Amino acid sequence: EVQLVESGGGLVQPGGSLRLSCGASGFTFSRFWMIWVRQSPGRGLELLSNIKPDGSEKYYVDSVKGRFTISRDNAKNSLYLQMNSLRAEDTAVYYCVRDNWGPEYWGQGTLVTVSS
Amino acid sequence: DVVMTQSPLSLPVTLGQPASISCRSSHSLVHSDGNTYLNWFQQRPGQSPRRLIYKISIRGSGVPDRFSGSGSGTDFTLKISRVEAEDVGVYYCMQGTHWPRTFGQGTKVEIK
Repeated sequence: EVQLVESGGGLVQPGGSLRLSCGASGFTFSRFWMIWVRQSPGRGLELLSNIKPDGSEKYYVDSVKGRFTISRDNAKNSLYLQMNSLRAEDTAVYYCVRDNWGPEYWGQGTLVTVSS
Repeated sequence: DVVMTQSPLSLPVTLGQPASISCRSSHSLVHSDGNTYLNWFQQRPGQSPRRLIYKISIRGSGVPDRFSGSGSGTDFTLKISRVEAEDVGVYYCMQGTHWPRTFGQGTKVEIK
């Protein structure tokens, strides 16, 4: 069974940083593109970034480019999202998603709240 | 960015009756490789999204055959042949042809 478990969310002040992690199991992690998607009442669902199986290609949506960094460790079956210079509008539930002809399996999400 | 517009935004349905959701894109979703990367997702209350359909009409693993997808170019439809109580939730379309990939605003399906 495919499982994706996010962690690392929480409350952070504007301008602060947070690192999200996602542990994957039930499939060969190193064979799949992976995605981070967030969901908020104001912005809906937003696909933020994806990363190639070997980590050699990464893509970002403009709203997070230069502030967020996606990475992976295939030896640890883990996906990461380093988030810097956080803003109030980054408040959302963040999902780790396996990409297979589009977002296929989703984790349960981790809540990030940016507030002073 | 490609804008995905869903209608209706709210869909009250009777159990056992069909339901249909429309999704229109601001640009053609035909990729240079010939595929059309149009997905449909279901999000039940309190749960993460679940993929129902990919590449317009291919049902995901374990998805009941009462869900079907159709369309081409810029105009797509998700149909539920006979609505069941477990189908309550919000449905989203998403295009994966152009970067950034973008979602529709969602259609809330509820039982009358």
